Amino acid sequence: DQQVKQNSPSLSVQEGRISILNCDYTNSMFDYFLWYKKYPAEGPTFLISISSIKDKNEDGRFTVFLNKSAKHLSLHIVPSQPGDSAVYFCAASAWGGGADGLTFGKGTHLIIQP
Amino acid sequence: DAGVTQSPTHLIKTRGQQVTLRCSPKSGHDTVSWYQQALGQGPQFIFQYYEEEERQRGNFPDRFSGHQFPNYSSELNVNALLLGDSALYLCASSLRGGNEQFFGPGTRLTVL
Repeated sequence: DQQVKQNSPSLSVQEGRISILNCDYTNSMFDYFLWYKKYPAEGPTFLISISSIKDKNEDGRFTVFLNKSAKHLSLHIVPSQPGDSAVYFCAASAWGGGADGLTFGKGTHLIIQP
Repeated sequence: DAGVTQSPTHLIKTRGQQVTLRCSPKSGHDTVSWYQQALGQGPQFIFQYYEEEERQRGNFPDRFSGHQFPNYSSELNVNALLLGDSALYLCASSLRGGNEQFFGPGTRLTVL
């Protein structure tokens, strides 16, 4: 039973355009959400997070939106750059912070086309 | 400032054997979590250690056990290895009550 779902295994976007990665969750106890980025042969790297008391969080080119009623969050990257090509994981925590055990989705492979 | 380090990088074992994986957290961090990432899947939470005790545990059998040392480093032990235990094992460190985890590069375990 997957509690965090990333339904797009891969996504191809042209350089300079907006990349939108989606994530759905089923567990109502999740109250903190994170996005991680992973390159081959490296561990996941933290990108951005959002608490359930907010609906938007921005950090430079990255913005995360949370729709609690729909149990849906999305990561927007604008403008997309070649270095953004990686696997992106959505993760959730039921303990109010990102330092506790996380539940991850399967990931979306983002490919930025020149 | 060294990040999270893990050893060994790769490991090959046979069914029924036991394995120990090691992790040193990022400087200043006091909490270590372990995750298993099977091919094509996201990381799955195994357990978390803080103050040398297991504080949280995911849905993994007792064959998976761990330890945290006074210097905050940690070990993951897996007994009676199964073919299905073949995966990338990731260690993550954090500050208790913090809002992000820093991951190491992982140990690739292959069980034959």
